[in-house]
Amino acid sequence: ETGVTQSPTHLIKTRGQQVTLRCSSQSGHNTVSWYQQALGQGPQFIFQYYREEENGRGNFPPRFSGLQFPNYSSELNVNALELDDSALYLCASSIGGVRETQYFGPGTRLLVL
Amino acid sequence: DQQVKQNSPSLSVQEGRISILNCDYTNSMFDYFLWYKKYPAEGPTFLISISSIKDKNEDGRFTVFLNKSAKHLSLHIVPSQPGDSAVYFCAAIGNSGSARQLTFGSGTQLTVLP
Repeated sequence: ETGVTQSPTHLIKTRGQQVTLRCSSQSGHNTVSWYQQALGQGPQFIFQYYREEENGRGNFPPRFSGLQFPNYSSELNVNALELDDSALYLCASSIGGVRETQYFGPGTRLLVL
Repeated sequence: DQQVKQNSPSLSVQEGRISILNCDYTNSMFDYFLWYKKYPAEGPTFLISISSIKDKNEDGRFTVFLNKSAKHLSLHIVPSQPGDSAVYFCAAIGNSGSARQLTFGSGTQLTVLP
């Protein structure tokens, strides 16, 4: 059973650019959540996808968008990058429903210059 | 407004002794709580969880205690080992629309001294 994987591991972009981050869920998991972790803070919820539909969103602007594919892999897209978007982006997969535990990937470190 | 708080940014413990990490929450709608451990350059690793209908859950060296009336939970590690040195995050599950999102505390850096 493979765990959650994310790509790329590191990324450098400039302000105003767009970025796409990718996540492969753990086998059998149909729910994926994305989190942003700024330095020295805990992860903050961006949004969650369940069976290809967004079913919840945290306090992030619309320029943060996502997709979930039929194989339950997922993308996080960020448009019009700002300096404050520099952070570790984590995806987590879960079975959903009663089993609540979310399992995290290693993250993508994004630096916006 | 921080709904999950870890008031101790760091904790140092001698190897073999007990480590106690604390967490407070404000949202009474949280009904499931988790502890994650995070090493540098890795994602958080799930450690242990507890449902709000219980007050204790144990898994090997790790025990989580939940005091609902005080809105407080704690993680006990006995005995502590140098490999336990990491950042520990407390997280709670609540609803965001229909999503069951995790709300994290800011973490406690545990250092276990040999």
